Amino acid sequence: AQTVTQSQPEMSVQEAETVTLSCTYDTSESNYYLFWYKQPPSRQMILVIRQEAYKQQNATENRFSVNFQKAAKSFSLKISDSQLGDTAMYFCATGANSKLTFGKGITLSVRP
Amino acid sequence: DGGITQSPKYLFRKEGQNVTLSCEQNLNHDAMYWYRQDPGQGLRLIYYSQIVNDFQKGDIAEGYSVSREKKESFPLTVTSAQKNPTAFYLCASSRVLGVGTDTQYFGPGTRLTVL
Repeated sequence: AQTVTQSQPEMSVQEAETVTLSCTYDTSESNYYLFWYKQPPSRQMILVIRQEAYKQQNATENRFSVNFQKAAKSFSLKISDSQLGDTAMYFCATGANSKLTFGKGITLSVRP
Repeated sequence: DGGITQSPKYLFRKEGQNVTLSCEQNLNHDAMYWYRQDPGQGLRLIYYSQIVNDFQKGDIAEGYSVSREKKESFPLTVTSAQKNPTAFYLCASSRVLGVGTDTQYFGPGTRLTVL
């Protein structure tokens, strides 16, 4: 079984600042992947970043990067140079055996 | 354009009626999924299918049914047995990997309201 915990329901950040979204997970699988998805007000789910658990190097995608601490089962998302378009719900998920388990999400607001 | 389509965008149902939500993909993905999203609950897996004519229950399958007669299509029926069907429903698809889980790509969703 897999569980994902996102303990912060809401966060706010000033435009152009940096923000970190927290996520912890638990899994009994040895081969698993980790994901961050974004859901803007349109409600379309969009992949932000993906991390293979067997890789030690943290994934990056432009302004988005992760801090993957495998032993601590922690997978936080850092957003640099925050933009108004980053305002959305962000979901952390863990995947194994072709199934994803999602956290409850965090609402991020970027202030102009 | 490759992608996933869901229809309708909004659906209203009277109590006691069955309704079917459509999901089609042209990404040539083998796996397809249905999720339910409620406020404050994240996404919960209803059913998934990794191959045509085969599907498995997810975490909240009671009151729902699916079929997978074609690779491209994975319709979800919300039956009258579902106690609280008002929710946002998301369909997704992915490749099937030997191990692990590939990225899932999502459709735009269907908002179902029971009157």
